[in-house]
Amino acid sequence: GQQLNQSPQSMFIQEGEDVSMNCTSSSIFNTWLWYKQDPGEGPVLLIALYKAGELTSNGRLTAQFGITRKDSFLNISASIPSDVGIYFCAGQMASGTYKYIFGTGTRLKVLA
Amino acid sequence: EPEVTQTPSHQVTQMGQEVILRCVPISNHLYFYWYRQILGQKVEFLVSFYNNEISEKSEIFDDQFSVERPDGSNFTLKIRSTKLEDSAMYFCASSRTEGTGELFFGEGSRLTVL
Repeated sequence: GQQLNQSPQSMFIQEGEDVSMNCTSSSIFNTWLWYKQDPGEGPVLLIALYKAGELTSNGRLTAQFGITRKDSFLNISASIPSDVGIYFCAGQMASGTYKYIFGTGTRLKVLA
Repeated sequence: EPEVTQTPSHQVTQMGQEVILRCVPISNHLYFYWYRQILGQKVEFLVSFYNNEISEKSEIFDDQFSVERPDGSNFTLKIRSTKLEDSAMYFCASSRTEGTGELFFGEGSRLTVL
């Protein structure tokens, strides 16, 4: 089936550091969504991207829609302890399907 | 802020029993989805629903699964005869538009099959 690879799988960082994670695929996507999931809760939408090359910010979060339409990046600046959680990308493919498929997730741990 | 609500938050059932999970999507949304997440794994698409019919389903969504919009507000997922491997978090989601719209998720229903 379709695959969205996210990296890194997990990361430990110090409070105040910047964080980068990405999502890649061999398929072309029309839309990228980035979510954060806390334990036992549903994914919460952080950022939506609709056009190749688009760069969108939401507070300390910045995400980009890759120019090839096969990847996306999420950056978190000046991380704080409440940034801990699992971050998922979700993409809607440009191949006639409207469902969103999810990446494998990046587990972030912030050390105070 | 409008949100997707799901009930129950946790259901424990015996293998072979029927389970119905309920969702109230955001009120002006037109597209509804069910996803599931097995513990520690990624979120997997099950089914999408629009205009009172299934628009797309995954290979996971076999004959044991069904969805229904019984009235103007609820959207349900029924598992006819639960199996151990159906144990997972089930998330309902909705969007105003299909495909390129933002997808909003509920808090999930945890299903435990014994």
